[in-house]
Amino acid sequence: DAGVIQSPRHEVTEMGQEVTLRCKPISGHNSLFWYRQTMMRGLELLIYFNNNVPIDDSGMPEDRFSAKMPNASFSTLKIQPSEPRDSAVYFCASSLSSPDGYTFGSGTRLTVV
Amino acid sequence: QKEVEQDPGPLSVPEGAIVSLNCTYSNSAFQYFMWYRQYSRKGPELLMYTYSSGNKEDGRFTAQVDKSSKYISLFIRDSQPSDSASYLCALSGNTDKLIFGTGTRLQVFP
Repeated sequence: DAGVIQSPRHEVTEMGQEVTLRCKPISGHNSLFWYRQTMMRGLELLIYFNNNVPIDDSGMPEDRFSAKMPNASFSTLKIQPSEPRDSAVYFCASSLSSPDGYTFGSGTRLTVV
Repeated sequence: QKEVEQDPGPLSVPEGAIVSLNCTYSNSAFQYFMWYRQYSRKGPELLMYTYSSGNKEDGRFTAQVDKSSKYISLFIRDSQPSDSASYLCALSGNTDKLIFGTGTRLQVFP
C-alpha cells in the first residue's frame, strides 16, 4: 500500500485565494482525520470522518474552512478565502477506527502571502 | 489549561545517552497513550502504544504511564544520531480522535 497520499506537497497562494488540499486514505481504513501543525500550537485536530460522515468538526477554526469526504477513498479540505495566518502544514491521517492505528500522510505545506 | 502539556525542548544529548521525554495531561478519561516520532518535513509515525499504567518496552524504547499522576514518559536508551527528531505524545479516550502534545525536539550529536 502506498500509504496516505496528500497533494499538493507545497502550496503558495495569495491572501484571498481559495485553497484546496487533497487526501487519499489507506484502502480499507474507515476513519480520516485532518490536522494542522504550527510551531506555536503543535498538531491540532480540525475535523474527522468515520465511514465518510463528519463526526467532530469542533476544531475547524472558522467558516472559511470546510471539509468533505464524498467517498471512502478521497477527502478535501478547502480554505476560502485564505489568510496569512492559515500558513501551516496540514496533515491527513487515516485509521481502522483504532487509536493505535493512525497513519499520517507527508503533509501539505501551505504558505499564504 | 491545555489537555496535554509537553516541553518543546530542544533537548540536545550526546550519542549513547539515556533520553527521558515526558507529557502531563489533565483529563482522566484518556485511556490510550501513544508516542509518535516525526522527522523533519515528514508526517508523524507511531512509535509506541500503551493502554494501561505501567511500562512497555520495545528495543531501546520504553513507554511508561502513571495514570494516578496523569504523567507519561518515553525513555530512549543508547540514543543514536538517527533518533534526532521530534517526539509527540498522543492520548485518546473512548473515541477515535487523538490529542497531541506539542512535541519535544531531540538532537543526538555524535
